[in-house]
Amino acid sequence: EVQLLESGGGLVQPGGSLRLSCAASGFTFSNYAMSWVRQAPGKGLERVSAISGRDGRTYYADSMKGRFTISRDNSKNTLYLQMDSLRAEDTAVYYCAKAGQWLPYYFDYWGQGTLVTVSS
Amino acid sequence: QSVLTQPPSASGTPGQRVTISCSGSSSNIGNNNVNWYQQLPGTAPKLLILINNQRPSGVPDRFSGSKSGTSASLAISGLLSEDEADYYCAAWDDNLNGPEFGGGTKLTVL
Repeated sequence: EVQLLESGGGLVQPGGSLRLSCAASGFTFSNYAMSWVRQAPGKGLERVSAISGRDGRTYYADSMKGRFTISRDNSKNTLYLQMDSLRAEDTAVYYCAKAGQWLPYYFDYWGQGTLVTVSS
Repeated sequence: QSVLTQPPSASGTPGQRVTISCSGSSSNIGNNNVNWYQQLPGTAPKLLILINNQRPSGVPDRFSGSKSGTSASLAISGLLSEDEADYYCAAWDDNLNGPEFGGGTKLTVL
C-alpha cells in the first residue's frame, strides 16, 4: 500500500525558513517523480515543485524559484522541500504527491498534507 | 491566475449528468494529456482521470473524461450526493515547464 507522510509544517515568521519532509513507502521510490503541491486556505491547488525519478531533474513554479529547494534521498525514501524567505502568501497546506511515472505528469497518490503558517 | 480555466461552480440533482469544462492553450492541453482530480471536503486530492480519459482502478465508470483541441471536459453521470466535491483539471505546460492545475470547480449536488 502506498503511503506518503508529510511532516515539518508549523508556524514561522515572515522571512524565516522551514524544511518539509515526506516519508514514502509501498513503492520503489527512486523510480517515480515526486512533487509538492500546496493549497492556501479556501483556495485551489497550486504546484510548488517537482523532481523526476531517474535523473533528479527539478521543476519549480516561478513564484518559488530561488526561495524553495526540492530534493530527494532515495536511500531513505524521503522527499524534502526547503523553504526560505517565507512570505505570508506561502501560508498553505503542503501536499506531497507521487507521480505515476518517472516524470511528474500526473499524481496518483497524495499525502494528507502539512500546514505551513507564515505569520508574525 | 491559472493557465487552465474552469468554471468556479457547477450543480446538478441526483441522477443527473453534469459536465465540467477546462480550457487551455496549445502549450498545455493542446499538446499534452489532461488529468482530473477530485477533492472531497477536508481531504487530500485524489486522481480521478488520467491521460485524458483513463480511470484509475476503483473509480466508477460514472466518471469520464474527454479532450478536444485546447479544451477538456469531465462528465459525471448518475450524480450522487457523495460526488459533491471540488474538481481540478491539470496538464503539463510546455512554457511553464511543469504540471499546471485549473482553478477548480465546486460541484454542488442539489
